[in-house]
Amino acid sequence: AQKVTQAQTEISVVEKEDVTLDCVYETRDTTYYLFWYKQPPSGELVFLIRRNSFDEQNEISGRYSWNFQKSTSSFNFTITASQVVDSAVYFCALSDDDYKLSFGAGTTVTVRA
Amino acid sequence: DGGITQSPKYLFRKEGQNVTLSCEQNLNHDAMYWYRQDPGQGLRLIYYSQIVNDFQKGDIAEGYSVSREKKESFPLTVTSAQKNPTAFYLCASSIWQIGGAFFGQGTRLTVV
Repeated sequence: AQKVTQAQTEISVVEKEDVTLDCVYETRDTTYYLFWYKQPPSGELVFLIRRNSFDEQNEISGRYSWNFQKSTSSFNFTITASQVVDSAVYFCALSDDDYKLSFGAGTTVTVRA
Repeated sequence: DGGITQSPKYLFRKEGQNVTLSCEQNLNHDAMYWYRQDPGQGLRLIYYSQIVNDFQKGDIAEGYSVSREKKESFPLTVTSAQKNPTAFYLCASSIWQIGGAFFGQGTRLTVV
């Protein structure tokens, strides 16, 4: 069974628009970690955030913000006032009882100038 | 600088040959992982290792082999048994009980 679902395959926005990436996860564990990664065209994965299952506080880091809702098993990611440099593939991932990362299929974000 | 180093960045292999991808980390992480990424797809786990001299198969281990003789190193061999090896390979390391990972820059393998 798929553990992480990113329903949006591609999102295209104009610079300065906000963009929200959806992530829905599935786990039976009470302790787990959720992650977001950015993959720019160069290919490497850039770690953005890790959130444990006991901390539902939303987080903001500059133009990035994350909304974690256990009730809906979602961990959504918003880029505010998008820039061209935000163009990348974004992955949501889950680490639960076996500590391995399960990745979603990724969402390609294209920001047009 | 602390980090994960993968080499080479690009690798070409003839059909029937084995090739080894290098992964070195100086983050003092116990766990290391190998993932495969195909175009337009997410990452799939090939092998992972929690500690030295121990490793486990991931979701797509067939046609691959690994070793973990040193904490810092986790090389991946793509054998001739792997029928479709052309892909982007990413190595990662982490603190095991926290999960999650920091990634290297990847090796793009092409069969010619």
